[in-house]
Amino acid sequence: DADVTQTPRNRITKTGKRIMLECSQTKGHDRMYWYRQDPGLGLRLIYYSFDVKDINKGEISDGYSVSRQAQAKFSLSLESAIPNQTALYFCATSDHIQGRETQYFGPGTRLLVL
Amino acid sequence: GDSVTQMEGPVTLSEEAFLTINCTYTATGYPSLFWYVQYPGEGLQLLLKATKADDKGSNKGFEATYRKETTSFHLEKGSVQVSDSAVYFCALTLAGGTSYGKLTFGQGTILTVHP
Repeated sequence: DADVTQTPRNRITKTGKRIMLECSQTKGHDRMYWYRQDPGLGLRLIYYSFDVKDINKGEISDGYSVSRQAQAKFSLSLESAIPNQTALYFCATSDHIQGRETQYFGPGTRLLVL
Repeated sequence: GDSVTQMEGPVTLSEEAFLTINCTYTATGYPSLFWYVQYPGEGLQLLLKATKADDKGSNKGFEATYRKETTSFHLEKGSVQVSDSAVYFCALTLAGGTSYGKLTFGQGTILTVHP
């Protein structure tokens, strides 16, 4: 079984709709992250959480919100989707111990907003 | 702020050719440096890393040396294979402080290797 799973893997929605992307991990990591990937722009951080009670904005948080339901679960919501949120979204996890900061990525969710 | 710059792609090579993908960084502190690889249809996975100056990270025939004097972490492989076709990302995280663990990525370099 994959250590970091994302659901759904693909989603098509319409402008103005609310959608939620979910991420679960079995690695026992404290830290979780949401990124979006756009061609030529690399990965940009949307939100991150260093533990269940800690939520922080990344560089492109406008139009997004998150919920850390448990250590293992971190959800990303688009309250009112717009076409420029069409992208590939990745969840990642990492340990909190220095020297073990490698991030482990899920397979991604491909989102199309019409 | 912190940033990572990778060479422009895409890069197209023949099998067994030598590969270099350049990566330079700017950082306010003392970063750890990473190369991640993304194979088609998959998420990113760590390829190699280095945590201090002059360290060499290596994995699967790829190498990169942490050069503090030139703020660089160039990725090299002596003989590429078709299976190396992927997108390669250079990234950094600062050691210590509240930002520790957050990754800053370069824009990615697409590598295509032909038989």
